[in-house]
Amino acid sequence: EVQLVQSGAEVKKPGESLKISCKGSGYSFTSYWIVWVRQMPGKGLEWMGITHPGGSDIRYSPSFQGQVTISADKSSSTAYLQWSSLKASDTAMYYCARRVIPVGGTFGGWFDPWGQGTLVTVSS
Amino acid sequence: QSALTQPASVSGSPGQSITISCTGTSSDVGGYNYVSWYQQHPGKAPKLMIYEVSNRPSGVSNRFSGSKSGSTASLTISGLQAEDEADYYCSSYTGSSTLWVFGGGTKLTVL
Repeated sequence: EVQLVQSGAEVKKPGESLKISCKGSGYSFTSYWIVWVRQMPGKGLEWMGITHPGGSDIRYSPSFQGQVTISADKSSSTAYLQWSSLKASDTAMYYCARRVIPVGGTFGGWFDPWGQGTLVTVSS
Repeated sequence: QSALTQPASVSGSPGQSITISCTGTSSDVGGYNYVSWYQQHPGKAPKLMIYEVSNRPSGVSNRFSGSKSGSTASLTISGLQAEDEADYYCSSYTGSSTLWVFGGGTKLTVL
């Protein structure tokens, strides 16, 4: 079974750092890019960025550029999302998902499957 | 890159059909066939329901169908069932610096 398993919920204080993870299994991790998506409480989905499975190419949404760091380690089949200094406004559910494209395709695609989500709560 | 426009809510009775629209621009929905739809039940992760405008993943009921005309994509659910009650999000590849954009989401209520 293809699945992405994310790390557990986190409660942090403003200014603290955090790194959450997303581990792929049941497929060739090196064949699919991973995306990160934010969902703030009661709100919709926002695309944050995408990483090559080896971490050699990472693209960010302008809204998140400089605010987070995305990385990946193919040796452990894991992608990461990290913050160096959390803010209360970072409180949200964060999802990773596998980006799928048609055979022979090089851009675009859709997201399947999704991880179960990691809830990040930032509060003093 | 602005979010795609979806109605905030739609409703229907069991057995009926509903359609959710997703309006973008020529830079996203109108420019690419990488439109996808996701279902999200409360407290759950999103689930892929439609990809490449109208394709259904294995395991998704054929009651779900997708289409596109110009810069507006649509998701139709026929034979509504109670289990279809959820939030639905459309998404499109954009090719811009924001590579993908989502719609604001539509809450489907099965009456």
